[in-house]
Amino acid sequence: AQSVTQLGSHVSVSEGALVLLRCNYSSSVPPYLFWYVQYPNQGLQLLLKYTSAATLVKGINGFEAEFKKSETSFHLTKPSAHMSDAAEYFCAVSDNFGNEKLTFGTGTRLTIIP
Amino acid sequence: GAVVSQHPSWVICKSGTSVKIECRSLDFQATTMFWYRQFPKQSLMLMATSNEGSKATYEQGVEKDKFLINHASLTLSTLTVTSAHPEDSSFYICSARGPGLAGGDTQYFGPGTRLTVL
Repeated sequence: AQSVTQLGSHVSVSEGALVLLRCNYSSSVPPYLFWYVQYPNQGLQLLLKYTSAATLVKGINGFEAEFKKSETSFHLTKPSAHMSDAAEYFCAVSDNFGNEKLTFGTGTRLTIIP
Repeated sequence: GAVVSQHPSWVICKSGTSVKIECRSLDFQATTMFWYRQFPKQSLMLMATSNEGSKATYEQGVEKDKFLINHASLTLSTLTVTSAHPEDSSFYICSARGPGLAGGDTQYFGPGTRLTVL
């Protein structure tokens, strides 16, 4: 069985500050990990995904995440927050490269303070 | 590329009626589509996996007779909520498995359909 834990249901950062959204996973097999962003009343957009190649994954909109097996973590970061980053962020895990079902975390709502 | 659409984007219906939601992959073929349900301020819960030309696979606790899924073509899957009740009100999101940006497959999500049952 797989699971994802997102620490912090709400995160607020000032515009221009570092964004750090935490995700820890549990998996009995090598995981495939994803970060998605959801804007109000919209579906999910893929930010980035871990493919078991490079541990530091760069995504869209300046986001990146680092896979740390020893810590079972896949935290999402962005050096400088922008107002347009305000949204809900979901971490997800699957046991195959998108072929199998995704298990989502409970989400983190990111608020940007002007 | 890799766009998934849903129709309608929102629907309001009376209790006891049935509602059909369409999920289309616009620029790629998808042998596999997924249906999720999202309650307010909660995460997505997978309801079922829809495979073109075969019966859908439902997750534990999801009533297959209530949530009918049909995947009749490589670009269209439909979810029909039969005899809808207020507790079925939710945000329904589909995804389609398509070509990944860096090899492999990726799930592409539709914009969602908000169902309100009165």
